[in-house]
Amino acid sequence: GAGVSQTPSNKVTEKGKYVELRCDPISGHTALYWYRQSLGQGPEFLIYFQGTGAADDSGLPNDRFFAVRPEGSVSTLKIQRTERGDSAMYLCASSLGLAGTGEQFFGPGTRLTVL
Amino acid sequence: DQQVKQNSPSLSVQEGRISILNCDYTNSMFDYFLWYKKYPAEGPTFLISISSIKDKNEDGRFTVFLNKSAKHLSLHIVPSQPGDSAVYFCAASAGDNFNKFYFGSGTKLNVKP
Repeated sequence: GAGVSQTPSNKVTEKGKYVELRCDPISGHTALYWYRQSLGQGPEFLIYFQGTGAADDSGLPNDRFFAVRPEGSVSTLKIQRTERGDSAMYLCASSLGLAGTGEQFFGPGTRLTVL
Repeated sequence: DQQVKQNSPSLSVQEGRISILNCDYTNSMFDYFLWYKKYPAEGPTFLISISSIKDKNEDGRFTVFLNKSAKHLSLHIVPSQPGDSAVYFCAASAGDNFNKFYFGSGTKLNVKP
């Protein structure tokens, strides 16, 4: 049963480095979401794709964060010049993207630690 | 400026009793609400939803109540089971941007056997 998968599950990097986080959504899901979750908080919206295009990227905190979904399936979240404050769990979710059917299927997340 | 708030970080309930988890929101444009359950080391999983045209939605042991005038929703679990022990998040979205969800900070439920 293919759910949403995310790789790597853990990523430790040094301040200033570049990282890429990958998300494989459920096959056939046109909508894909990235969230960031800090300790003791709920998921915080970053960006949402409908197909290949970013329909809403209003949650990206600054221009160091960028995400792509070139073929409308796999997505990569890219973080440049990482900072210690970027340390968090990064969650990806996918859905059918239809109004009124908001159920999103989440992956297990990538825990990013910036030293 | 958190638009969805869960003011109780934790809740402990005896097995077989009712669990009531609360959620408040500030944005009057929100018209679709969901509850997610999260076990350790897993992503959140969908539990139940409600749209603003209803004030109640029931699915088995889980019922969500929506009070639009108070901007408040609650999740009732009856009877509670030890397997319900998890973190519960409520989330909300607005009709014109229905795919953008705002999450609360979660309530950790512990159901004691």
